[in-house]
Amino acid sequence: EVQLVESGGGLVQPGRSLRLSCAASGFTFDDYAMHWVRQAPGKGLEWVSGISWSGGSIGYADSVRGRFTISRDNAKNSLYLQMNSLRAEDTALYYCAKDEVAGIAVNLESWGQGALVTVSS
Amino acid sequence: QSALTQPRSVSGSPGQSVTISCTGTSSDVGGYNYVSWYQQHPGKAPKLMICNVSKRPSGVPDRFSGSKSGNTASLTISGLQAEDEADYYCCSYAGGYTFRGVFGGGTKLTVL
Repeated sequence: EVQLVESGGGLVQPGRSLRLSCAASGFTFDDYAMHWVRQAPGKGLEWVSGISWSGGSIGYADSVRGRFTISRDNAKNSLYLQMNSLRAEDTALYYCAKDEVAGIAVNLESWGQGALVTVSS
Repeated sequence: QSALTQPRSVSGSPGQSVTISCTGTSSDVGGYNYVSWYQQHPGKAPKLMICNVSKRPSGVPDRFSGSKSGNTASLTISGLQAEDEADYYCCSYAGGYTFRGVFGGGTKLTVL
């Protein structure tokens, strides 16, 4: 059974940094691309970033480009999101999601339960 | 980056069919066959219902079907059931200098 478990969320002041992690199990991690998707309270889904199986292809939403960095460690079956210069509008539940393919298709076939990030002074 | 356009709400009675549209551009929906649809119940993580425009993942009832014409994709749910009441989101791969993903704003389905 595929399991994706996010961690690292919490309350952080504007301008500070936070690093999210996603521990994957139940599948061959380095066979699949991975993504981060967020959902602000009461709002819709927003794609944040994605990374191919090898890390050779990476993409970001305009809203986070230059502030957020996605990475993966295939030896540890883990996905990361380094979030710098956080803003109030980054407040959201952050989901880790598994793509259907090794490259990038943004067919998100498995999701974690999310990590809540709250940016507030 | 503009989100894909979905109706804010749709409704139908049990047993009826409903269709949710998702309009993008030639840079996303119209340019690639990587359109997916997600169902989200309150307080739950999204669930993949359709991928690659019209492919149903294992376990998804065949009442759910997807299609695409030009820059508009559609999700049709036939034989509506009470448990289908949820939010539905479309999503597309988008190309360009680097890839990105783009979601629709979401559609609230009410089963009357």
